[in-house]
Amino acid sequence: AQTVTQSQPEMSVQEAETVTLSCTYDTSENNYYLFWYKQPPSRQMILVIRQEAYKQQNATENRFSVNFQKAAKSFSLKISDSQLGDTAMYFCAFTWGGSNYKLTFGKGTLLTVNP
Amino acid sequence: SQTIHQWPATLVQPVGSPLSLECTVEGTSNPNLYWYRQAAGRGLQLLFYSVGIGQISSEVPQNLSASRPQDRQFILSSKKLLLSDSGFYLCARGKDGANVLTFGAGSRLTVL
Repeated sequence: AQTVTQSQPEMSVQEAETVTLSCTYDTSENNYYLFWYKQPPSRQMILVIRQEAYKQQNATENRFSVNFQKAAKSFSLKISDSQLGDTAMYFCAFTWGGSNYKLTFGKGTLLTVNP
Repeated sequence: SQTIHQWPATLVQPVGSPLSLECTVEGTSNPNLYWYRQAAGRGLQLLFYSVGIGQISSEVPQNLSASRPQDRQFILSSKKLLLSDSGFYLCARGKDGANVLTFGAGSRLTVL
């Protein structure tokens, strides 16, 4: 079974600062994908960033980047220049090719950006 | 367009009453469709997924059922709601040609 663990239930950061959210996962699959989704107070799930396991290069999307450590099964999200609009619940998620792309989610980290 | 429509947005139902949550999607045909539930303070739990009309896979034994009567329609149902069915229900579709899920705005169910 695949599991995703987010060990930080809540975090806070000052506006314009950098914050890193942690995620670890467990799998025996080789062909898999990792994601970070954001759920703001509106509760709409929004894809933040995606990483293919076969790619060694860490994914980046503007102020969001990941540190993908395949051997350690770690997938952290770094948010640079934090903005008030980044306040949200962040979910780490995992899927693999033979699963019909069903996502397995971690329990989430509530990030609060303070002015 | 990958738009996903969910309704109702909010629902308050008594214990023992029936439930029907509807999800319709736009975009290319034959998408993979998913129902997730998010209980208070918890992550998202996959309930059902469908790879085609009439094809439903259940992930968690429970009081709920799902149906896919049309290609772009996915319905979550219950004959008799339990208190534990309360939660936020999200419909999602697979993005064409990619392993990314797009989510609807969700339906909040409160069972009293």
